[in-house]
Amino acid sequence: GENVEQHPSTLSVQEGDSAVIKCTYSDSASNYFPWYKQELGKRPQLIIDIRSNVGEKKDQRIAVTLNKTAKHFSLHITETQPEDSAVYFCAASLNNDMRFGAGTRLTVKP
Amino acid sequence: DAMVIQNPRYQVTQFGKPVTLSCSQTLNHNVMYWYQQKSSQAPKLLFHYYDKDFNNEADTPDNFQSRRPNTSFCFLDIRSPGLGDAAMYLCATSRGRTTQYFGPGTRLLVL
Repeated sequence: GENVEQHPSTLSVQEGDSAVIKCTYSDSASNYFPWYKQELGKRPQLIIDIRSNVGEKKDQRIAVTLNKTAKHFSLHITETQPEDSAVYFCAASLNNDMRFGAGTRLTVKP
Repeated sequence: DAMVIQNPRYQVTQFGKPVTLSCSQTLNHNVMYWYQQKSSQAPKLLFHYYDKDFNNEADTPDNFQSRRPNTSFCFLDIRSPGLGDAAMYLCATSRGRTTQYFGPGTRLLVL
């Protein structure tokens, strides 16, 4: 089955700096890669996603890149703000079988 | 304008006493999922319904069952909860093989 690895497990940045979270996946057939943000005690919320036929996608301060050959994808957050502090999960999905990475706890210091 | 609703938000049960968690959705999505999330861990898929077809994950314990009486509702039954089943249970929905939207979760405490 699919295995998703996510790094780093914790990330601390200064407000205004950029943050990058990286994930790798094992099943080359996976074709959908969402990123979820989860604040303490709340539901995971989709922040951006990318499909296997696209290499890069951007939405304001958030961007995701996908390298199918290397089977890795990354989340980039620019101009970080304290409200970006949360746990971020990457996921890889084939059909309805979605596997999550272990999560990255991002802390943005004011 | 709640889209994926879970009840109750908090559930306390006793060791071995059956418990049912419920999920409903107003999105008319045809796929519904149940995830288990333990503290500081990623959500783990237990099973999902694609329309009426039930898909169980290979490592989901037999103690966990699910029912989907109609498109809008899905239930998670834990037949004999153990201490290790204490967790957040998340319901999610999707239209076909697309983005999954999560409910707020039910936090289960087993005494």
